[in-house]
Amino acid sequence: GAVVSQHPSRVICKSGTSVKIECRSLDFQATTMFWYRQFPKQSLMLMATSNEGSKATYEQGVEKDKFLINHASLTLSTLTVTSAHPEDSSFYICSANSGTGDFNEQFFGPGTRLTVL
Amino acid sequence: GQNIDQPTEMTATEGAIVQINCTYQTSGFNGLFWYQQHAGEAPTFLSYNVLDGLEEKGRFSSFLSRSKGYSYLLLKELQMKDSASYLCAVVDSNYQLIWGAGTKLIIKP
Repeated sequence: GAVVSQHPSRVICKSGTSVKIECRSLDFQATTMFWYRQFPKQSLMLMATSNEGSKATYEQGVEKDKFLINHASLTLSTLTVTSAHPEDSSFYICSANSGTGDFNEQFFGPGTRLTVL
Repeated sequence: GQNIDQPTEMTATEGAIVQINCTYQTSGFNGLFWYQQHAGEAPTFLSYNVLDGLEEKGRFSSFLSRSKGYSYLLLKELQMKDSASYLCAVVDSNYQLIWGAGTKLIIKP
């Protein structure tokens, strides 16, 4: 099956700093990548959808200037949490869709646990 | 609005069978996914249904009734490793995935 990696798996940072999370599709080209956030005991919440070479589409209520998404190639998307605050502490998960096979099947990365002190 | 309902938590015994239900009300329907998510990990794909009926995959089966807006995930011969959250997600008319809150399944010996 398709493999998606995320780096780092865990990050602890001070309030006010910026954190970059990378999402890579290892054995396929991802035309679309998705960024989710999951708070404890809650479901996945889609933050944004990014297509290679174009601007990301953000969900309502997600600040695009705070959560910067770059999808510069068909195998890499990055999420930068700028000026992170404790309320940004969460589990961030990316997924990728190759656009072939079962449409909309999303292959998930292992997630990044962000803790902002 | 769009809505996906699943029970919050279920408990079952090792070796038994459990059925996790999912009802949905969405703007359009283009398929339904079931994912398994262990604590602290990302979801993993279990099944995809787009036509009515039962899809069987080993110990796991998934059923869909589009007219009733209803699906269930059936887990047989439960093992301790099946303790996880099970997420139901529906593809709406815009091909967006709408996620349920998940059902936490607890398996007891």
